[in-house]
Amino acid sequence: NAGVTQTPKFQVLKTGQSMTLQCAQDMNHEYMSWYRQDPGMGLRLIHYSVGAGITDQGEVPNGYNVSRSTTEDFPLRLLSAAPSQTSVYFCASSYSSGQRGGHNTGELFFGEGSRLTVL
Amino acid sequence: GESVGLHLPTLSVQEGDNSIINCAYSNSASDYFIWYKQESGKGPQFIIDIRSNMDKRQGQRVTVLLNKTVKHLSLQIAATQPGDSAVYFCADEEGGGFKTIFGAGTRLFVKA
Repeated sequence: NAGVTQTPKFQVLKTGQSMTLQCAQDMNHEYMSWYRQDPGMGLRLIHYSVGAGITDQGEVPNGYNVSRSTTEDFPLRLLSAAPSQTSVYFCASSYSSGQRGGHNTGELFFGEGSRLTVL
Repeated sequence: GESVGLHLPTLSVQEGDNSIINCAYSNSASDYFIWYKQESGKGPQFIIDIRSNMDKRQGQRVTVLLNKTVKHLSLQIAATQPGDSAVYFCADEEGGGFKTIFGAGTRLFVKA
């Protein structure tokens, strides 16, 4: 299993440009989420999804869009990049409440991160 | 609103000593807590979890204690090793497990 795969690992954008961060998982997890991590701060939840076709806002959703057309993929779109969106972005997946039990916990499985710089 | 926070931003311990990392939470309805370890340049990794119907849970060299009365949990690392140097986050679930909210993190330095 590859786990959670994020691309690209590094990206530099100019203010106003748009881009999509890709995230894919091969663990059949129903829950997926996007976090951003800034220096001196913890991870802040941007958007999350509890299953294909269902998404919702987290703590800091402004400026980002998501969609979940399949269980495996959860792309994050920056509509018009701003310097304030310079950050490290992490995608994560986990078992839903219905999938837990036995060895399955609520553990989040994270990708390696995507470092985004907006000039 | 809910917040999950940590008491100290950094902790420095001698190799071989025990480490204790503390965390406070504000949502009385929180019933599931997880500790994560993040090494430089990597995503966070699961260490141990605990449900609110428990006060203590032990893993390999780690113990999590939960005090619901004062809404506090701690992570204890026994015989701290250089490989334990990392940032440690506590996190809790809300919304029936839909969302996991993280604290700011504590950076653990292990001195040889």
